Amino acid sequence: SQTIHQWPATLVQPVGSPLSLECTVEGTSNPNLYWYRQAAGRGLQLLFYSVGIGQISSEVPQNLSASRPQDRQFILSSKKLLLSDSGFYLCAWSRQDLYGYTFGSGTRLTVV
Amino acid sequence: RKEVEQDPGPFNVPEGATVAFNCTYSNSASQSFFWYRQDCRKEPKLLMSVYSSGNEDGRFTAQLNRASQYISLLIRDSKLSDSATYLCVVRMNSGGYQKVTFGTGTKLQVIP
Repeated sequence: SQTIHQWPATLVQPVGSPLSLECTVEGTSNPNLYWYRQAAGRGLQLLFYSVGIGQISSEVPQNLSASRPQDRQFILSSKKLLLSDSGFYLCAWSRQDLYGYTFGSGTRLTVV
Repeated sequence: RKEVEQDPGPFNVPEGATVAFNCTYSNSASQSFFWYRQDCRKEPKLLMSVYSSGNEDGRFTAQLNRASQYISLLIRDSKLSDSATYLCVVRMNSGGYQKVTFGTGTKLQVIP
């Protein structure tokens, strides 16, 4: 069966510090991978998606970036965090036909 | 107009009550529909798909009305454990490619 791992679960970082969140998927190959952010009391905002190694599409301009160095690994990064980057970050994967959308357990980021 | 719209609630209902949520979508080319459940501070999880003929899973019934472009979720005999936010999800063709769009969710609070 397929599983998705995301870490860390919580993170408190100072403004201006770098960020690296990692997500890995097991039990499937060539998945679509996604990074979402959910601000407090708000809906899910798609940040990045990837249909293959090295292929990243950005949905919104921001100071975040994403990379997919391996088929089942997706990384969300920032060189310098802003206060507005605080939120609940969720990684998700789906099949290429977009079925089976499954989320990781999320990372709650607080920028202070 | 938002691609997917939901009443944010909250819906406060007593245990045992029947409650229904609606979700409207703007793109008539939308192909697939789902309901996800998100518990407080957790990731969204698939509750059920929505089929054209309507479908039932225990106390939960999902229906699709393509003519009016809405889907609904009916919960019978509400339990305290049903308290959560329910997200409407639509898979659609947009600009020549397919994408998945999440509604902002309807919050349900079941009261003892």
